[in-house]
Amino acid sequence: EIVLTQSPATLSLSPGERVTLSCRASQSVGNYLAWYQQKPGQAPRLLIYDASSRATGIPARFSGSGSGTDFTLTISTLEPEDFAVYYCQQRSHWPPEYTFGQGTKLEIK
Amino acid sequence: QVHLVQSGAEVKKPGSSVKVSCKTSGGTLTMFALSWVRQAPGQGLEWMGGSIPISTTPNFAQKFQGRLTITADKSTGTASMELSNLRSEDTAVYYCARGNGSDFDYWGLGTLVTVSS
Repeated sequence: EIVLTQSPATLSLSPGERVTLSCRASQSVGNYLAWYQQKPGQAPRLLIYDASSRATGIPARFSGSGSGTDFTLTISTLEPEDFAVYYCQQRSHWPPEYTFGQGTKLEIK
Repeated sequence: QVHLVQSGAEVKKPGSSVKVSCKTSGGTLTMFALSWVRQAPGQGLEWMGGSIPISTTPNFAQKFQGRLTITADKSTGTASMELSNLRSEDTAVYYCARGNGSDFDYWGLGTLVTVSS
């Protein structure tokens, strides 16, 4: 099973700041890496797919990069609504399965 | 417009089974994969199983093998998952999610399943 490790577990920042979240895979996942945002009481929302493509309706301040085992999600200028938990997720071909990272909580400083 | 409408909350006894349904629209079950993901209280997301684009039969995370059944009625657009032999650790919000390539682009609102004696 491919394990995704996100860091840090928690980040305390202020609106207007730039933030970079990290996701590391235990083995190469190519570019099959997605990022989600989840707010309390809500379902996750897809932000980034295939490592660097923004999903429909996602603001340009969100960007993803990386390939292989190391990936990042960057929010260029934090807005108040961006404080949430962020998860990375990969799909492996064999065994056919999906796994999620443990999440990074972005909280207001 | 894509909608995934899940069935309502359930309270179950340990050792029993629960079935959660997901009514889809937008041709989801005929053109896309569908997975089940759960989230225990205060915890992260856990993929349970579902159809993978490369396969027409469901695949399951190893920890749910033998306990999880996933079905899909393409004529009604309804997918279901049934988890048996419930224990307290199965208390969670269960989501259905549409698989599009390697990610999940649409999610249901979630169904809370509480396992308690």
